[in-house]
Amino acid sequence: GNSVTQMEGPVTLSEEAFLTINCTYTATGYPSLFWYVQYPGEGLQLLLKATKADDKGSNKGFEATYRKETTSFHLEKGSVQVSDSAVYFCALSERGSTLGRLYFGRGTQLTVWP
Amino acid sequence: DAGVIQSPRHEVTEMGQEVTLRCKPISGHDYLFWYRQTMMRGLELLIYFNNNVPIDDSGMPEDRFSAKMPNASFSTLKIQPSEPRDSAVYFCASSLRKLSYNSPLHFGNGTRLTVT
Repeated sequence: GNSVTQMEGPVTLSEEAFLTINCTYTATGYPSLFWYVQYPGEGLQLLLKATKADDKGSNKGFEATYRKETTSFHLEKGSVQVSDSAVYFCALSERGSTLGRLYFGRGTQLTVWP
Repeated sequence: DAGVIQSPRHEVTEMGQEVTLRCKPISGHDYLFWYRQTMMRGLELLIYFNNNVPIDDSGMPEDRFSAKMPNASFSTLKIQPSEPRDSAVYFCASSLRKLSYNSPLHFGNGTRLTVT
């Protein structure tokens, strides 16, 4: 079946530190991969995405590369800011499926201190 | 683009009462999803609709939960009777087409439900 596993949080960093949040997946087909971010009191919003092996999604200084050989889609940022404090969700959707749903990880809480 | 609109933002009710959560998806979106978020279980898909028709309700926890989509611009999630373990944040989300690289989910800001 389809599932996503994320590193457990919380992750606490100082401003300007390097961030990595690990994400691995299992899928019955060839999925598209996503990172969503949830700021306090809000719903999730799309952060970045990738559709095929070796694609790199990027947005707001965040990057993630679709690694088919390791079934991974790790989120990275070179220098985090206090405003990046949020919960980050890795997710996949099955391409070509007649079903229309996303499979989410459990989420990783990130707190950045000034 | 007004985004996905949910109401109310907060709901506090007593055990045994009926609760109705409301959602207005983004205009033109064909898919609508209801999720529940708790600390213990994370984000759970409860049910989703395509063109107002329920496609997968396997995530609905019990018969106390029901969801309807009478038209393309409105959906409700009802809990009757409510129990304290139903306390959670309930999110509605919509997508333009079947979820894909070019058709991501758009979430509302959620309804925080507290059942005492």
